[in-house]
Amino acid sequence: EADIYQTPRYLVIGTGKKITLECSQTMGHDKMYWYQQDPGMELHLIHYSYGVNSTEKGDLSSESTVSRIRTEHFPLTLESARPSHTSQYLCASSEWTGNYGYTFGSGTRLTVV
Amino acid sequence: RKEVEQDPGPFNVPEGATVAFNCTYSNSASQSFFWYRQDCRKEPKLLMSVYSSGNEDGRFTAQLNRASQYISLLIRDSKLSDSATYLCVVNGDTGFQKLVFGTGTRLLVSP
Repeated sequence: EADIYQTPRYLVIGTGKKITLECSQTMGHDKMYWYQQDPGMELHLIHYSYGVNSTEKGDLSSESTVSRIRTEHFPLTLESARPSHTSQYLCASSEWTGNYGYTFGSGTRLTVV
Repeated sequence: RKEVEQDPGPFNVPEGATVAFNCTYSNSASQSFFWYRQDCRKEPKLLMSVYSSGNEDGRFTAQLNRASQYISLLIRDSKLSDSATYLCVVNGDTGFQKLVFGTGTRLLVSP
């Protein structure tokens, strides 16, 4: 059973809508991450967090924002969705050292029409 | 230059073949190394960590050469189910210890 959960699994939404992608983990991991990945392409880190109240921008500029009010929860929000935001969004978490790698959620496949 | 470089492939091999993937990394201070597997339209999953002395897990063998900053993955007796993209992963800095993912090498095993 997955220890990191993402909802929704698939989302089709109209341009201009506000959306929030949910990510929760039950492993007590301090570090959490959001990646964006287009089909057949590489992973791009867009946000990460050291712990509660910590958020940082990743290597790829993104119009999305994140928050970390609780250790287990790291939601990603798009204030106004556009077709260019169509992609797969993957959430991951790790213990502090990262020595055991990251655990990924199943992802949210977002389509903006 | 990318922090982690892999040949994107695809590597087309018949069932039962032995195939090897290579990866180079640029940060000599990196301490953690992994191979991940990603199936089409799925999330990456940890295949194995890579240790300095090399390590084996069933049909999979990983090697690390710190002097050359080079990691390899060997798959013996390839199965159809091994078809996937294999991602080389290295920790990119000693601060946050954020992992850096390679672009992946695609493997196609055919009957």
